[in-house]
Amino acid sequence: QLQLQESGPGLVKPSETLSLTCTVSGGSISSTSYYWGWIRQPPGKGLEYIGNIYYSGSTSYNPSLKSRVTISVDTSKNQFSLKLSSVTAADTAVYYCAHRAYWGQGTLVTVSS
Amino acid sequence: QAVVTQEPSLTVSPGGTVTLTCGSTTGAVTSGHYPYWFQQRPGQAPRTLIYDTSYKQSWTPARFSGSLLGGKAALTLSGAQPEDEAEYYCMLSYSGAHVLFGGGTKLTVL
Repeated sequence: QLQLQESGPGLVKPSETLSLTCTVSGGSISSTSYYWGWIRQPPGKGLEYIGNIYYSGSTSYNPSLKSRVTISVDTSKNQFSLKLSSVTAADTAVYYCAHRAYWGQGTLVTVSS
Repeated sequence: QAVVTQEPSLTVSPGGTVTLTCGSTTGAVTSGHYPYWFQQRPGQAPRTLIYDTSYKQSWTPARFSGSLLGGKAALTLSGAQPEDEAEYYCMLSYSGAHVLFGGGTKLTVL
């Protein structure tokens, strides 16, 4: 069964870049034509789709975040990554990676000085 | 940009039946939106109940079903249990691999 695991710093300073990695196990990131996605959930709020990437590298981003988001894939490591620049307190959230029905457990990222 | 709509809250009696809906401001929801339904209990990650309109995951209880109803995606719970009290989110895919979540429905079993 496919498993996804997010990793990265739990604390990021305002104006800096948030960087997270999703490691995929139980399957190859290159073996599917479906995209790999990032989702976030601010404390007490709903889910927000950040963007996704195909193993080929083709991406799609939430228009409200597009200017600050970069999603990349490393097929050799079976990982895909998220970078969100110029973060503010509003970017504090649990960040999830997902692929079709499979989600990681999520990682809380707090933006604070 | 499209907005995905859900009922903010619903209440169902134990053993009862309830239908949650998921609409799109761009028009009717179709199978081409590949509707997903997720359940999220407090403090837990969302888990997928339904994908591609009506397909269930291996862990999806049989009392949940997905369909298209009146131009919306629908999640029907038949025979509600206390453990079904949770937040439910739908997700729709649009052209260009753009994906949107609904605001969620808080389901109370009471």
